[in-house]
Amino acid sequence: DAKTTQPPSMDCAEGRAANLPCNHSTISGNEYVYWYRQIHSQGPQYIIHGLKNNETNEMASLIITEDRKSSTLILPHATLRDTAVYYCIVSNDYKLSFGAGTTVTVRA
Amino acid sequence: GAVVSQHPSWVICKSGTSVKIECRSLDFQATTMFWYRQFPKQSLMLMATSNEGSKATYEQGVEKDKFLINHASLTLSTLTVTSAHPEDSSFYICSASGSDHMFVQYFGPGTRLTVL
Repeated sequence: DAKTTQPPSMDCAEGRAANLPCNHSTISGNEYVYWYRQIHSQGPQYIIHGLKNNETNEMASLIITEDRKSSTLILPHATLRDTAVYYCIVSNDYKLSFGAGTTVTVRA
Repeated sequence: GAVVSQHPSWVICKSGTSVKIECRSLDFQATTMFWYRQFPKQSLMLMATSNEGSKATYEQGVEKDKFLINHASLTLSTLTVTSAHPEDSSFYICSASGSDHMFVQYFGPGTRLTVL
């Protein structure tokens, strides 16, 4: 049973911010939100994770709602190389359960 | 930092032969390593979890005698597909996590296995 819900696909323009939503309404108090992405025919790449507070690193920002039932991954300036499948995963241990993710296509 | 390598990147073998795939954490000690399998147009499916020096824990439906996992050191895990058959053809991906990585997994580039 999926713990997260993501739109199957989305397009965004090169150079613009890409906002990827994720619903996790049944998240428990000790579960983190993780984001990974997988570029075609490669292994997944870790992007960012958070528990309650918003997080930012060199790749992206993660905005988690106050009730923690949803989050948004923000890629501030999308490039063509950001075209990938993005996975939002909630977990409180080492196990990551990959769903279908969101296929993001960045267009020039 | 947090680089994981896999070797080989692709392999073609005959049905009935065994294939070994290596996974190495290059710049950190991996207390836990994971093996996933991904069929075309599908998502990653966890096959097994291994901790250094102990037996791997296999997910339901994964044959432990067919997919042998060894995690002999903090930087190396191997997956051996024994008596491979065409239905074992898939993309095999390993990942590793260290004690100071807060459950974050770092993935290898994957190995494409084709069994003829």
